Amino acid sequence: RKEVEQDPGPFNVPEGATVAFNCTYSNSASQSFFWYRQDCRKEPKLLMSVYSSGNEDGRFTAQLNRASQYISLLIRDSKLSDSATYLCVVKRSGYALNFGKGTSLLVTP
Amino acid sequence: SAVISQKPSRDICQRGTSLTIQCQVDSQVTMMFWYRQQPGQSLTLIATANQGSEATYESGFVIDKFPISRPNLTFSTLTVSNMSPEDSSIYLCSVAPPRAETEAFFGQGTRLTVV
Repeated sequence: RKEVEQDPGPFNVPEGATVAFNCTYSNSASQSFFWYRQDCRKEPKLLMSVYSSGNEDGRFTAQLNRASQYISLLIRDSKLSDSATYLCVVKRSGYALNFGKGTSLLVTP
Repeated sequence: SAVISQKPSRDICQRGTSLTIQCQVDSQVTMMFWYRQQPGQSLTLIATANQGSEATYESGFVIDKFPISRPNLTFSTLTVSNMSPEDSSIYLCSVAPPRAETEAFFGQGTRLTVV
């Protein structure tokens, strides 16, 4: 079983829609959690960190449930520019990042 | 933050040859990592490049195929040896402070095509 699992999608949504991505991780020793965004033919870039209390950055809301080992990302009012692959990432201190396969999002006019 | 310069950005190579990818960081970092991203897949860790000692390889990756150098705290190379078409992939270097809560930074990637 992969350490980080995501629904690969693709998710095709119209502009303005709300879309949610889910992710589960298997290693309970994981300490930090992130959502990265990767555009086609580009390197991954940090979208936001994920905290146990939940956190929001504009249209983006991330949630973490440590008991269920579950992470989510909610995008409200989708824009065309949100089209990308969203990577769920977990990390233990002193270790490399562990990536999910990514969820592809296509926002259409 | 860290700025990473990775080169080459892309290359097309003949099977059986080797390619060395370089990664230069603008600050000293303890941990550097090399990832591979095959078409349509997510990033897979190849190895952790340790300064002053041999790299630590993940399952499925061996030093003979992917030798790594880490001569100092700002530089590392990854060589893809005796290439075959299955090695066609994007290779990315990354740096991350050891503290768990800090984000990682990536080089721009090397897009390798083996023909």
